[in-house]
This record gives sequence, C-alpha cells and structure tokens, in this order.
Amino acid sequence: DVKVTQSSRYLVKRTGEKVFLECVQDMDHENMFWYRQDPGLGLRLIYFSYDVKMKEKGDIPEGYSVSREKKERFSLILESASTNQTSMYLCASSKEKGLASYEQYFGPGTRLTVT
Amino acid sequence: SQQGEEDPQALSIQEGENATMNCSYKTSINNLQWYRQNSGRGLVHLILIRSNEREKHSGRLRVTLDTSKKSSSLLITASRAADTASYFCATDAGLGDMRFGAGTRLTVKP
Repeated sequence: DVKVTQSSRYLVKRTGEKVFLECVQDMDHENMFWYRQDPGLGLRLIYFSYDVKMKEKGDIPEGYSVSREKKERFSLILESASTNQTSMYLCASSKEKGLASYEQYFGPGTRLTVT
Repeated sequence: SQQGEEDPQALSIQEGENATMNCSYKTSINNLQWYRQNSGRGLVHLILIRSNEREKHSGRLRVTLDTSKKSSSLLITASRAADTASYFCATDAGLGDMRFGAGTRLTVKP
C-alpha cells in the first residue's frame, strides 16, 4: 500500500511565524502535490513537483514556497504565516506517465490554525 | 482555478437508494477521476475514466463521461450509511497536475 504521511495532524502557529509542513511518500512516486482545502472552495493546488529539485506553481502559490531535495519528501513553507492561511493542507503523490496523471494518493492532512 | 464543478453541493438519501452526482468542467481533458473524503481525512481515489471511454464500473460505482458536454456523473447504487462522505471530481488536462471541484456532500441515512 502506498503511504503518504504528513508531519502533523494539527498545528497552531502565530502570525508572522515561518511554518514548515512536511510530506513523505514511500512508493517512489515522481509527482508530489500540495493543496489547501477550504469549505465551499474544494481543493486548490498550491504547488506541485514532478522531480527532485523541480517545482511548478499551482493556482494559489502566493505566500508559499516548496522544497524537494529528495524524491520521497516534499515540504511546504509558509514564509510568514497569516490568518488567511488557516486551512486544511493536503499532500498527495502520484507516479508519472508522461504528462497524464495517475491516481493521486493523499496524506491525512494537516489542519493549520494561524492566530 | 477550479476545473470541475460538482452538482448538487449536498445530497441526502435513505440507505438502499441510489445516489447520483454530476461534474462539469471547462477545458479538454485526458482523464477524469472521482475521489471520496470522509470527514476530516485525506481523499481516497475511487475510479478513473479516460477521455476515450464513455462508461466505467467498479463494484457499486458507475461513472459516465460525456466529453462533448464536458460532464461526468458518478452513480452509487444501493447506498449504505458508510457511503456518507464528500465526493470530488478531478480533471487532468495533460499538464502534469489535476484540478478538483468543490465536492458533493452525500449523507446516507440508515
């Protein structure tokens, strides 16, 4: 079974703090993704990566950065947390076949609260 | 931006009934996928249908795809209380990523 783990289920941070969300997958998948999920808005893609040290902006990259130094690990960084970044953050991975997507495997999510 | 839009936003049925959810999207796609999310958890993949397929089955799930109308439907037959969850469609436009809709919240009453 593919396993995608996220470093924390719940996280509370203060405005202005730098926040790191870690995601690790154990199936040697090429692609990894970060989404945020808000009520009524569904999942919105923040960043994705299709290879080590590669990253692509999604729909809402502002205020976020990512790092992929190893194939199995994809980190989301909030440079200076703000209250409007309070959300559920979901990490996912998938194997690659050209540019067509395979099914994505999701982690359990991190519910981040910024106060 | 969101690619898929699910309809209805919420659906409440009795156990044993069928549940139908619809998804509309805007641009050409390679494939369309449906996912389920139980409350407060990650999403689980249910089924993938490719752009050259019209219908696909998996257990009690039936998915249709109409590329001319840019729409898909997910049918869950003989629903159970355990089917209570949010259901999302996701579209792959061949750019290496996918776009999810806002989801349909399904409640199955015992």
